[in-house]
Amino acid sequence: DQQVKQNSPSLSVQEGRISILNCDYTNSMFDYFLWYKKYPAEGPTFLISISSIKDKNEDGRFTVFLNKSAKHLSLHIVPSQPGDSAVYFCAATPYTGNQFYFGTGTSLTVIP
Amino acid sequence: DSGVTQTPKHLITATGQRVTLRCSPRSGDLSVYWYQQSLDQGLQFLIQYYNGEERAKGNILERFSAQQFPDLHSELNLSSLELGDSALYFCASSVMGQGADTQYFGPGTRLTVL
Repeated sequence: DQQVKQNSPSLSVQEGRISILNCDYTNSMFDYFLWYKKYPAEGPTFLISISSIKDKNEDGRFTVFLNKSAKHLSLHIVPSQPGDSAVYFCAATPYTGNQFYFGTGTSLTVIP
Repeated sequence: DSGVTQTPKHLITATGQRVTLRCSPRSGDLSVYWYQQSLDQGLQFLIQYYNGEERAKGNILERFSAQQFPDLHSELNLSSLELGDSALYFCASSVMGQGADTQYFGPGTRLTVL
């Protein structure tokens, strides 16, 4: 049972525009959410996280939004750059737990 | 560079064989996680260790086992290998091993079973 879902396997965006990657989850016990970025032949790299007590967290060009009532989070990248082309995974975990649940990933291509 | 190291980078073996994958966590991290990523699949959690003890188990087959040693490095043992075991195997580490604790991933080991 996939508790974290990324329904868009791929996304293409023009350089300089906004990229929006979406993630939905089903488990209301999830308290902490993360986004990872993965280049081919490398391990996932931590990008940004958000706690359930917040609805937004910003780090430079990256902003994560959390809508708890909809069990939905999104990652906004503004402006998008060609180096952002990678696979993005969202992950979730409950504070009381120790297992991360990952989505299947969205492959972002930023077109120069 | 996340600080997590994994060896070997690539491994090619035959069905029925046994292999061992090794992971060294970041300095100071007590918890180690193992994940499997098959083609076009997400990251499937296999098992977690914290300070030498098993803490959580995911979708790990009985043919697979792991351990974490006193120096905190971990090994994942895969036996009676099948073609379907071909995948990327990632190790991650974190400080506390639970809650709002970011996991940092190694570069992975690509296992090919022929």
